[in-house]
Amino acid sequence: QSALTQPASVSGSPGQSITISCTGTNSDVGNYNFISWFQQHPGKAPKLMIYDVSNRPSGVSNRFSGSKSGNTASLTISGLQAEDEADYYCNSYTSRNTYVFGTGTKVTVL
Amino acid sequence: QVQLVQSGAEVKKPGASVKVSCKAPGHTFSDYFLHWVRQAPGQGLEWMGWIKPNSGGTKYAQNFQGRVTMTRDSSINTAYMELDRLTSDDTAVYFCARGGGDIDFDYWGQGTLVTVSS
Repeated sequence: QSALTQPASVSGSPGQSITISCTGTNSDVGNYNFISWFQQHPGKAPKLMIYDVSNRPSGVSNRFSGSKSGNTASLTISGLQAEDEADYYCNSYTSRNTYVFGTGTKVTVL
Repeated sequence: QVQLVQSGAEVKKPGASVKVSCKAPGHTFSDYFLHWVRQAPGQGLEWMGWIKPNSGGTKYAQNFQGRVTMTRDSSINTAYMELDRLTSDDTAVYFCARGGGDIDFDYWGQGTLVTVSS
């Protein structure tokens, strides 16, 4: 199972919005709504930011939103803040009853 | 708030095995899966597999088939991930994460660093 494809890096200025894409196939992203997004700061465990494509766990800022179109899922961070600088990973359930992560995206706040 | 507590760092020689534990003090795993995820230094996250503690059922990623074994001891609410025939490529932080409920991957352990070195 190949990793889902994400851009290596995305950057934006404080207050701006950025979008991170996550491209898979019709065996994973395209066929299931079990898409999650994680934020990871250096040396820390990943933190769930979005589940089931577009749902936010309790306590996650509404500046984070998720969507999906075809084989591509997206995470949008609006009103970018310095604390949003981190690595972000998508994850999808697959037709093999397994899961696959994305390649990861480093978000830089300029 | 569910806390997952993992065992401490390990140093192993190539060819050896390592067994990492994941415990949820005060909580039961029974209605959930436990995922195992690893992250090599400077690299991304890699899903290894899951175990359903109440049945012992497992599903492993193809990359780890034949080399990984996930088990649990329900009496002490602890899950284990054992990886055999270690090489330097297995040097990584290994995480457990709760899954299978309404929200997958909602709680994570702190991670266990496994270093494989001769």
